[in-house]
This record gives sequence, structure tokens and C-alpha cells, in this order.
Amino acid sequence: DTGVSQNPRHKITKRGQNVTFRCDPISEHNRLYWYRQTLGQGPEFLTYFQNEAQLEKSRLLSDRFSAERPKGSFSTLEIQRTEQGDSAMYLCASSLVGRQPNEQFFGPGTRLTVL
Amino acid sequence: TQLLEQSPQFLSIQEGENLTVYCNSSSVFSSLQWYRQEPGEGPVLLVTVVTGGEVKKLKRLTFQFGDARKDSSLHITAAQPGDTGLYLCAGWISSNTGKLIFGQGTTLQVKP
Repeated sequence: DTGVSQNPRHKITKRGQNVTFRCDPISEHNRLYWYRQTLGQGPEFLTYFQNEAQLEKSRLLSDRFSAERPKGSFSTLEIQRTEQGDSAMYLCASSLVGRQPNEQFFGPGTRLTVL
Repeated sequence: TQLLEQSPQFLSIQEGENLTVYCNSSSVFSSLQWYRQEPGEGPVLLVTVVTGGEVKKLKRLTFQFGDARKDSSLHITAAQPGDTGLYLCAGWISSNTGKLIFGQGTTLQVKP
């Protein structure tokens, strides 16, 4: 069990650029989640997948945000036309459906800074 | 409006003191979790409480789930500098959703 990994760990970009983050979940986990966290606050739910199906999306996920999990393994989160307000830590987590309680295991996050 | 309200939001204490962090809601949760997060890292699960009135102990940490499953508390006995971090409560409104709702967190600083 190598845990959840996220790449890159840090990303600095200029306003208006597109960025893409990758998350590799724990191998046997079938659910994958994305959260956004600003400094000193708790994570905010963005979206989650069960296998390759995207089951729920937050209203926080504007049209500029898109997430995919094409083969039900790793996932990508893309932000188009980044804005300074997108600066945050983007966290990925994974879990195994059927295990009670449903415990999510978090990756180290990708810190995005939009200049 | 936060569905889960944590208090206090910031706590600075001396090594050896006891403390309690509260997590409150007007909604019923099917279960609640407590996480600890260090700067630059993702949250790490400490405990999950499922049954109303449940009490769980993890070394010097005691977690309680309210009888009505709307609130929870985390008590730390004889705090140590290594306990410093952001403590987060999180829960599910329903067991059928994958959406985990977090409180805003309590930043704990334990001074040696």
C-alpha cells in the first residue's frame, strides 16, 4: 500500500493559463474524491468518482473545472483560464465502497498559486 | 454557512495542558470523523465515530459522538508539542453519499 499520490506537489501559473493535476489512488480503491482547501480552512468537496463514473459535483466546480477518471484508476483535474481565486491546495482522496465506515485516505495535495 | 462548526478556531496552550475541541451541527450525521493535518500535507484520519454516544480513545485523545449524532468533541490530555496541527471534523449526512463535509478546522499550537 503506497498511499494516495498527487502530482505535481506545487504549481505556479499565470492568470489565464490552464493547469492539470493528477491523482493516483490506493490501488484497490474504487472511489476517488477531489477537494479544495484554502489556508486555515477545512477542505471543500468538489467531486467524486466511483470507478470511472462521476457521481456528484459541487456547485463550486465551475465550467472552468473538469475532472476525469477514464479507466477507473488515476484521475485528472483540469482548471482552464485560471484566476487568482483558484489559488488553493487541491486534495485527492480515495476509498473502498462497502468498507464501513466509508473512510477516505488523502494524498499530500497539489498547492496551486495563480499569479 | 458552515454545516459543521468547530470551536475554537485557534488554540495556543502550554505543554501538559488539557484541551477540548468541539464540532457542532444542526444536522444529523450518519458518522463523524476527526482528522489531523500538518502544513503542506493532506489530512490524516484519527478516528471514526458511528454510534450516538460513542466514546473512543486513542492514547491521550478521547473522541465523543453526541447522543443525537449532531455533535462531537475531541479531548487531548497532557498536550505535547507533537500534537500541534490543524484538527478537522468531517461527516456524512447520509451513508449513501460520498460527499464528506468538513468543519473549518481548529489550529492547535502546543508550546514547549
